[in-house]
Amino acid sequence: GENVEQHPSTLSVQEGDSAVIKCTYSDSASNYFPWYKQELGKGPQLIIDIRSNVGEKKDQRIAVTLNKTAKHFSLHITETQPEDSAVYFCAAGSLPYNTNAGKSTFGDGTTLTVKP
Amino acid sequence: GAVVSQHPSRVICKSGTSVKIECRSLDFQATTMFWYRQFPKQSLMLMATSNEGSKATYEQGVEKDKFLINHASLTLSTLTVTSAHPEDSSFYICSALKISGNTIYFGEGSWLTVV
Repeated sequence: GENVEQHPSTLSVQEGDSAVIKCTYSDSASNYFPWYKQELGKGPQLIIDIRSNVGEKKDQRIAVTLNKTAKHFSLHITETQPEDSAVYFCAAGSLPYNTNAGKSTFGDGTTLTVKP
Repeated sequence: GAVVSQHPSRVICKSGTSVKIECRSLDFQATTMFWYRQFPKQSLMLMATSNEGSKATYEQGVEKDKFLINHASLTLSTLTVTSAHPEDSSFYICSALKISGNTIYFGEGSWLTVV
C-alpha cells in the first residue's frame, strides 16, 4: 500500500517568513495530493490540492509543487501570519475515487508555529 | 466550498453503552464517506469506507462488530461505537466525497469520551 512520509514534524518561523513542508510517497499510482490544515479540536480543512497532471499550483500565499519522478510534493506558505499556526497534513491518493481507491494515506503531520 | 457536518461534536458516555455519531453532507450528495480516528498529536487513521446502500469496507484491525457503519442515504452516514470502553475515547472524523470535482471534504470531528 501507499506510504507517506512528512517532514519536518515541527516547524517554527517568524511572522512574514516562508514555511516549507515536504512529503514523499511510495505508490506511483497515486495521482491526487491534498494538503489539510487542522486547528486544535477541529477537523482537517482542505487548503490546496494538486493532481498529477500539473507540477505546481498556487492560491494566494499557498503553493504546492509536485515531482512525480521523485515521488515528492511540497507545501509552500509565504508571508506567514500567526493565524497560519496549525497542524498541516499531506496526503496521497488516487482519482477517480471508488470503493478502494478513494482512501488517501496521510502523513504524520507538521506542527507549524508562526511567531509574531 | 462543500459542507460536511458531524453530530454530536462532543459526547461523553458510560463504559458499556453505545454511542452514535452522524456525518452529513449538507449541500451535496456523497456516495462515499470515510471514517477516521485520530489520537492526540497523531495523524488520521482510516477506519472504514462507507458506501451508500452497501456494506462498509473496514481497514485491517478495525472491528466491524464494534464500529457499526451505516450509509442509508446519499447525505448521511453513521458510526455507532458499541459497548464502548475508555480506550475507545478518541476524536472521530468523517469525510465525504463530492463527485463533481472529485474532492473530499472533512467534517469538524466528534470527541468521544468514555468514562
